[in-house]
Amino acid sequence: NAGVTQTPKFQVLKTGQSMTLQCAQDMNHNSMYWYRQDPGMGLRLIYYSASEGTTDKGEVPNGYNVSRLNKREFSLRLESAAPSQTSVYFCASSEWGTREAFFGQGTRLTVV
Amino acid sequence: QQQVKQSPQSLIVQKGGISIINCAYENTAFDYFPWYQQFPGKGPALLIAIRPDVSEKKEGRFTISFNKSAKQFSLHIMDSQPGDSATYFCAASRSNSGYALNFGKGTSLLVTP
Repeated sequence: NAGVTQTPKFQVLKTGQSMTLQCAQDMNHNSMYWYRQDPGMGLRLIYYSASEGTTDKGEVPNGYNVSRLNKREFSLRLESAAPSQTSVYFCASSEWGTREAFFGQGTRLTVV
Repeated sequence: QQQVKQSPQSLIVQKGGISIINCAYENTAFDYFPWYQQFPGKGPALLIAIRPDVSEKKEGRFTISFNKSAKQFSLHIMDSQPGDSATYFCAASRSNSGYALNFGKGTSLLVTP
């Protein structure tokens, strides 16, 4: 049982490049989320998908787009990376009933 | 702005002591209050959670105390062990926002031998 799987684990981008962070969960959860973690800032919500077919902005959505491809997969796209997007990105999923969120191992992204 | 405020930012406790981390919130629509534990290089993992209809929940050495009128909740770690050294995050969520978690900024706990 893999839980929440994120790819890649590490990535270095040049300013202006684009990339997509992939996330997949095998727990049949309805809701999925993308967070970024910066030192001293905790985890901040970028986007979330309460159910398949819906997406909503979180606290820090600027510079990002998301796609809920199906119930299992939720991707995060950076169209034109900026140094301010250097961060550790976490994907998570949860079930409506228990509310427990399960997190992936994270993607450490550096934009130079 | 940060919807959940957490203190202290860091904490050093001797083995066997009690670790206490506090959080406060403003939004009365929050109805789920979890604590997450994170080790370096790993994703956060749920430690313990409480809903506002109870004032305390205990699981082993970990206890959440919840004060609805003060809009505060806290994590108590009894008999703290070096293996508890990690970063702890409080969070809150409400059902009408996809159950998305709003996190505090975290507390780095170091338990010394």
